[in-house]
Amino acid sequence: AQTVTQSQPEMSVQEAETVTLSCTYDTSESDYYLFWYKQPPSRQMILVIRQEAYKQQNATENRFSVNFQKAAKSFSLKISDSQLGDAAMYFCAYRRRTGTASKLTFGTGTRLQVTL
Amino acid sequence: GAGVSQSPRYKVAKRGQDVALRCDPISGHVSLFWYQQALGQGPEFLTYFQNEAQLDKSGLPSDRFFAERPEGSVSTLKIQRTQQEDSAVYLCASTQGVMNTEAFFGQGTRLTVV
Repeated sequence: AQTVTQSQPEMSVQEAETVTLSCTYDTSESDYYLFWYKQPPSRQMILVIRQEAYKQQNATENRFSVNFQKAAKSFSLKISDSQLGDAAMYFCAYRRRTGTASKLTFGTGTRLQVTL
Repeated sequence: GAGVSQSPRYKVAKRGQDVALRCDPISGHVSLFWYQQALGQGPEFLTYFQNEAQLDKSGLPSDRFFAERPEGSVSTLKIQRTQQEDSAVYLCASTQGVMNTEAFFGQGTRLTVV
């Protein structure tokens, strides 16, 4: 079974600074997707960024980028120029690429606080 | 609809009561998932539908949990004889196809069993 581990329950960053959220995962499969989701108090999961395991290049979406280390099974999220609106719970998630049941396996989350 | 809609947003049930939670996915989305998110935890998979077929129900915690999607659109998650440990946020997500990468989530239903 796949597992996703987020070892940082809470992180804090000052506005305009950079913060990195950590995630490790365990799987025996070679073809999969990794995701970072943001969950604000409204509870709706919002996709921040995704990475295909077969791609060596790290994904980037504006201020958000990942450091994907496949051999180490590590997938960290870097948020640059942090904004107050970035404050939320962040979940790392895994999904296998093959097969029809494409369920997501989530970590336990990291609560990000953004201070002035 | 424009997004995934869930109702009610909040539900308080007395222990032993039956509840029904509704999910209205994005129109035309084939795949529908239910997740359970306990306080302070990440969402955990409950069940998966491809159109009206329930292809995976391995995450349902007990036979008190039942889900259906009879016409391949709206889905209902039913919990019978609710227990305190059922208190959680129940999230629904849909994807356009079978293998699409992006899942769109609703805002969830927060169930509190007293």
